[in-house]
Amino acid sequence: AQTVTQSQPEMSVQEAETVTLSCTYDTSENNYYLFWYKQPPSRQMILVIRQEAYKQQNATENRFSVNFQKAAKSFSLKISDSQLGDTAMYFCAFLKSGGSNYKLTFGKGTLLTVNP
Amino acid sequence: DTEVTQTPKHLVMGMTNKKSLKCEQHMGHRAMYWYKQKAKKPPELMFVYSYEKLSINESVPSRFSPECPNSSLLNLHLHALQPEDSALYLCASSDRLAGGFSSYNEQFFGPGTRLTVL
Repeated sequence: AQTVTQSQPEMSVQEAETVTLSCTYDTSENNYYLFWYKQPPSRQMILVIRQEAYKQQNATENRFSVNFQKAAKSFSLKISDSQLGDTAMYFCAFLKSGGSNYKLTFGKGTLLTVNP
Repeated sequence: DTEVTQTPKHLVMGMTNKKSLKCEQHMGHRAMYWYKQKAKKPPELMFVYSYEKLSINESVPSRFSPECPNSSLLNLHLHALQPEDSALYLCASSDRLAGGFSSYNEQFFGPGTRLTVL
């Protein structure tokens, strides 16, 4: 079974600054996907960024980038130039590759507040 | 259209009531999911449908009864719920259930129905 750990229940950052959210995971699988989901207050969950485990290059989506360390089983999310709209709960999630890969394993989440 | 819609947005019900939650997607997805989410917690998977057939039931109590009338619709029928069932109920859909080695099926989430059981 897989486990995902987010060690920071809450974080805050000033607008325009950079913040990093940490995520570690434990798995015996070699092929898998990792995701960061964002859930703003009272709004729906959306996918921020994904990383395929077989790719060494870190994924980037505009102001969002990840630091994927496969050997260390670490998958942190960096948000640059933080905006007020980035205030949300952020969930790190794991998905096994292949077969009926339906079950997302979520971390407990990090509540990020961006202050003006 | 990459949208999953859910109705109602809010629902308050008594423990003896029968109610239903509705989810709809028009992305041609053939896999649909129900999740339960408590405040400040991650979503917990409840049911998975694939091609309108129930594929996965994560040991959910029988007072929750899912239904998939067609490929675009997913319902969750509620009966004799308990106050601890109060939560946000999320629906999601993905292209399909099975994926190959280098593919995955992104799950698109709806906004949820906030359920309060009195």
